[in-house]
Order: sequence, then C-alpha cells, then structure tokens
Amino acid sequence: GAVVSQHPSWVICKSGTSVKIECRSLDFQATTMFWYRQFPKQSLMLMATSNEGSKATYEQGVEKDKFLINHASLTLSTLTVTSAHPEDSSFYICSALRGQQAFFGPGTRLTVL
Amino acid sequence: DQQVKQNSPSLSVQEGRISILNCDYTNSMFDYFLWYKKYPAEGPTFLISISSIKDKNEDGRFTVFLNKSAKHLSLHIVPSQPGDSAVYFCAASEANFGNEKLTFGTGTRLTIIP
Repeated sequence: GAVVSQHPSWVICKSGTSVKIECRSLDFQATTMFWYRQFPKQSLMLMATSNEGSKATYEQGVEKDKFLINHASLTLSTLTVTSAHPEDSSFYICSALRGQQAFFGPGTRLTVL
Repeated sequence: DQQVKQNSPSLSVQEGRISILNCDYTNSMFDYFLWYKKYPAEGPTFLISISSIKDKNEDGRFTVFLNKSAKHLSLHIVPSQPGDSAVYFCAASEANFGNEKLTFGTGTRLTIIP
C-alpha cells in the first residue's frame, strides 16, 4: 500500500509559538491531501482540504489564519498552527489521496503548554 | 452534530468468534461507506468499503452490511484473530464530494481475547 509520513510524530511547545507539521506521500504523488484533528475520545474531524498549487479549502469553524496550509509540491503538505494555545493541543493527522483512496499518516501529537 | 456514530466505544470478543461492529449515520446524502482500522501510533488503514447501491460487500474475513432504510452499517469479522485487536473507524462520504471527503465516527476499540 501507499505510504504517508508525518513529521514530527509529537511536539510540545509553549503557548504563543507556531508549530509546523509536515505530511509527505513517500511513494506516490498526491494533488489532494486532507488534514484532520482528533480530540480524545472523539472522531477525526476534517479541518481542511489541501490542493497542490492552490489555496486550501477549510471546513466551517476552522480558522484559516490560525491553521496555515501549504501544499507546495505533489508530495508535501504542511500545516502550521500559528500562535498555538493549550486548546489547540490535539492529535493532527493527514491523509493523501491516490486515485479515490485516502492513505493516512501516523499522526502528530501536539501539546501546547 | 455527530453525523456518523459508533455507539460502542469498546468490544471484546473471543478468538475464533464473530466480531460485529456497528455504525449509524444521520446524513441521508452519504452514499459511500468505509471502515478503517487503526493501531496505536499509526494512521488509519483502509479495510473495506461499500457503496449505497449495495447491501453487502465481502472481502475475506471481513463483510460489511448496509441497511439504508435504517441508516445503519455493520462490519463483521469472522473468525476473529488476535491481530484484529485495534480501533475501528466507520467513515462516510457524499457523492457531491467525489467520495473523497470523509466524515468519521468516534471509533470502537476491538479486543480479541486469545
């Protein structure tokens, strides 16, 4: 199956700092990637759809200025959590679309102190 | 508003027996349903899917049943094996989004008892 990686796998940061999370499709090109967030005991909630070479499409209620998404190449999408606050602490997971099938990364655990 | 619900957060099944995981949805526009399996510290991996034009899809030990009128689907695993122990997510998508944008349930942790 296709491989999707995320980096870092976990990060701890101070409140007010920005954190960048990378999502890479290792063995295929993905024009579309998705970013999800999962709070404890809740489902994966879609935050945004990342399209290579164009602006991301954000879901209702997700602040685009806070969660910056850049999909500069066919194998890399980045999510930057700007001015992170403790309530942004969550598990962030990406998926990359190959054909009509989505392949998920292992996730990034963000803890904001 | 949780459009896809998995009401059982956990399930324990004896090895060799059948595991049945349930999922309910509220959005009548959903027409494609998927099950994902997730191990700790790993991303979800695709298991099996079903289109709304079908009521059953089988792949080896895994069978998914869809009851559109009840807005209910279930995943059957038989026989259950220790390696099946994981969290299982039900997901759904709408045709308008090209079957790519997924709405997930909260997951059911399946534990297979040897």
